[in-house]
Amino acid sequence: DIQMTQSPSTLSASVGDRVTFTCRASQSISSWLAWYQQKPGKAPKLLIYKASSLESGVPSRFSGSGSGTEFTLTISSLQPDDFATYYCQQYNSYLWTFGQGTKVEIK
Amino acid sequence: EVELVESGGGLVKPGGSLRLSCAASGFIFSNAWMSWVRQAPGKGLEWVGRIKSKTDGGTTDYAAPVKGRFSISRDDSKNTLYLQMNSLRTEDTAVYYCATYFGSGSLFWGQGSLVTVSS
Repeated sequence: DIQMTQSPSTLSASVGDRVTFTCRASQSISSWLAWYQQKPGKAPKLLIYKASSLESGVPSRFSGSGSGTEFTLTISSLQPDDFATYYCQQYNSYLWTFGQGTKVEIK
Repeated sequence: EVELVESGGGLVKPGGSLRLSCAASGFIFSNAWMSWVRQAPGKGLEWVGRIKSKTDGGTTDYAAPVKGRFSISRDDSKNTLYLQMNSLRTEDTAVYYCATYFGSGSLFWGQGSLVTVSS
C-alpha cells in the first residue's frame, strides 16, 4: 500500500496568515493527489484534485502543487471559515490511501 | 448535477449484517468505478473497497480489515451501489461514504451514512 504522511498534525494560525501543509507519498503517485477540507460532522469537501486543479466553487486562496512524492496545499490568506481538518488522498492506486490529517486551529 | 446519496445505516449488534445503498445521479453510473470509504468517530479516512464498471470487468477489491466480510455490488439499471456488511464488529462503527472519480481527475463523495455496531 502507498503510505501518505501529512505534516504538521496540528497548525495554529491567525486570520490572514499564509499557511502551507505538506503531504508525502511513500512512492510516486504522479499527480493523482487530492486535498479535502473537513469540518466536524460533515463529509470531506474536495478542494484540489490532480495535485493542482482547483475544484469548482472553491475559493482561489486555496492552491496545490507538487508531483511524484511531495505535495503542498497553500491557503494564501486564512479566513475564519478555513479552521478545519485537511486531508490528502492518493488515487494513483485503486487502493486509495489518506494522510492522517492536519488540523488548523485558531492561534 | 452530480449526486450520491447513501442510505441504510443504523444500529446493529456485533455479528450482525447490514446493507448500505448509494443512489447515484447526474453522471453515467454504468461507466463509473465506485468506491466506499469510511471514517470511524474521531478518526481519519479509510478506503473500504471498490467495484469497476461492468465494461471494465465489474471486479471488486477490498481493504484487508473487511475482506471476506464485506461485499460490494452494483445495479446499473437502478444507478445504485451497494455495500453488504456481514459479521460486523464494533470496530466497523463509522460513517460510510460512497465516492467516485471522473475522467477529469475530479472526485465526488456522498454525504455519508452512519453505521453503529454495539450490543
